Amino acid sequence: EAGVAQSPRYKIIEKRQSVAFWCNPISGHATLYWYQQILGQGPKLLIQFQNNGVVDDSQLPKDRFSAERLKGVDSTLKIQPAKLEDSAVYLCASSHGFEGSYEQYFGPGTRLTVT
Amino acid sequence: DQQVKQNSPSLSVQEGRISILNCDYTNSMFDYFLWYKKYPAEGPTFLISISSIKDKNEDGRFTVFLNKSAKHLSLHIVPSQPGDSAVYFCAAPNQGGKLIFGQGTELSVKP
Repeated sequence: EAGVAQSPRYKIIEKRQSVAFWCNPISGHATLYWYQQILGQGPKLLIQFQNNGVVDDSQLPKDRFSAERLKGVDSTLKIQPAKLEDSAVYLCASSHGFEGSYEQYFGPGTRLTVT
Repeated sequence: DQQVKQNSPSLSVQEGRISILNCDYTNSMFDYFLWYKKYPAEGPTFLISISSIKDKNEDGRFTVFLNKSAKHLSLHIVPSQPGDSAVYFCAAPNQGGKLIFGQGTELSVKP
């Protein structure tokens, strides 16, 4: 079974520029998550999709971050404009979405550096 | 509000000895807990979990203990191996299924 794929793996941009990350979840997984992991902290959920609908985006800074999940499969996360504090690893994860199933499978992440 | 806390940012253990990683939580509604392991430049991978109806779950060299009255869980690795060197996160799902992660503990197992 192929794992969660993410691209790019690394990205360096200047503040005020825009950037987009792509995620392809495990085939058949209904639920997709985007996390932000700042150095020295645990992953923090930004947005959760169930199929192509948003379940939770309470922690997403909506003035600069946006995300979509096309046809309930792939997803993109965009930051526009980027700030220095957005420097972090952005992790995508997916899960079956079954009731009572909490295990999530993570991709390798995209390390973003904003200068 | 940090609902899941790992107060030790790092731990160093000799190969062959036991590693004990600790995690505390504040939300008494949490009823399921997971441990993830993360190597550099990789995403976290699921390691072991425990339901609140149990106080222990074992999988090979890994055992998780849950003390509900103390709101504390621990991950024991025995014997520790150099390949176990990684960052370990404990996590708990809230009522919406959203995983709340601790800050992580970096384990270093020295040969």
